[in-house]
This record gives sequence, C-alpha cells and structure tokens, in this order.
Amino acid sequence: QQQVKQSPQSLIVQKGGISIINCAYENTAFDYFPWYQQFPGKGPALLIAIRPDVSEKKEGRFTISFNKSAKQFSLHIMDSQPGDSATYFCAASGFNTNAGKSTFGDGTTLTVKP
Amino acid sequence: NAGVTQTPKFQVLKTGQSMTLQCAQDMNHNSMYWYRQDPGMGLRLIYYSASEGTTDKGEVPNGYNVSRLNKREFSLRLESAAPSQTSVYFCASSSDRASGGYTFGSGTRLTVV
Repeated sequence: QQQVKQSPQSLIVQKGGISIINCAYENTAFDYFPWYQQFPGKGPALLIAIRPDVSEKKEGRFTISFNKSAKQFSLHIMDSQPGDSATYFCAASGFNTNAGKSTFGDGTTLTVKP
Repeated sequence: NAGVTQTPKFQVLKTGQSMTLQCAQDMNHNSMYWYRQDPGMGLRLIYYSASEGTTDKGEVPNGYNVSRLNKREFSLRLESAAPSQTSVYFCASSSDRASGGYTFGSGTRLTVV
C-alpha cells in the first residue's frame, strides 16, 4: 500500500514558467513533509520541508503549499530554469518518531526547456 | 567534506555471488538507512538503524542483511545476488528527529547478471 502518491510522473516546462508537483498522503500521523532534488548520478538532496502547522513555506523560487484537510502538499518552482531539470521526490514522516523513517513518492522528472 | 560516503560506486555481480556495500557518515547522526531506487518505483527502504546496535526491516528486506558496525558505519550485504537486486542503492543518515531530513550518499549502481 503506497502511502505517498506523487504526480505527475514527468513534467516539461518552458524556461521562466511555473513547475507544479503534487503529493497526497494517507497516514494522518505524518507531520513532516520534505522535498528532495536529485540530479543524474547523484543522491537525493533535501530541498525544502514543511510541517503542518503552516500552510505555505517559501525558500527562494521554491514554495511548498500544504493542505492538511485534503492531506495534500505540492511543490511550486517559480521562474523555472534549465538548471532545475532533475527528479523531485516528496516524502513524509513523523517529526518526533524515533529514526524519522520517511516514506517517499515515486518521483517526478522535471525538464525545463530553454 | 562532511557527508555520507558509499563504496563501491559501481559493481557487477554474477547470480549467486555475495558482496557488501559499505556506508559511513561523519555527521554524528544516530539513524542510518539503506534504500534501493528502481525506475518508476521511487525509493524503497530496505533496512534502517535507529541507533548503534539496533537494526530493523523496511519495506523490501528479503535477500539482504545489514550490520551497524558502530555509530558511523552501516553496511548492506547481499548473500546470494539475484538479477532482481539490480538497482541503485543509497545509504542515508539523519539526526534523532526528522527536522534535518536525510543526507544521502552518492549511491552504488549494482548490476547482477
């Protein structure tokens, strides 16, 4: 049973456009929602994260929107650049759970065309 | 540089061979993890260790064993490799709480023929 569902599987955006990736979770015990960025041949790297006490978190061109009632959260990349082309993973875990074990979405491959 | 170091980066095994993937972190993290990444299937947890001396199964533990040698090192062993274990393996670590997220290694690309 997949606990974190991510969409779309792939996304093509023009330079300067907005990229939007969505995730939905099932387990209401989750209370920490990070996004990871992975370039080819590299390991995933933490990009931005949110806890459910806020509905939005912004860091530069990256914004997480969180809807607790719908159990959904999304990543918005403003002014998308070719250098943003990568695979993005959402994840969910219990913030205070020992080991902080995370469940990952299947990933979204983003291509930003020049 | 601080981080998670995995060795080897690439490996080709014949069916039935055994090998150990090594992982070490220098961030004084208590928790360590092994994930496998397959196309279209995201990252699936194989085993994790909440602290030195403890290990627990994840989502896909069959065919694997782990050892938390000390606080820094967490190894993954394939006793009898199968083609279904062809994958990219990532080690990660985190502090006691999830607030800092995971730090991942650069991965081991394993092919079993």
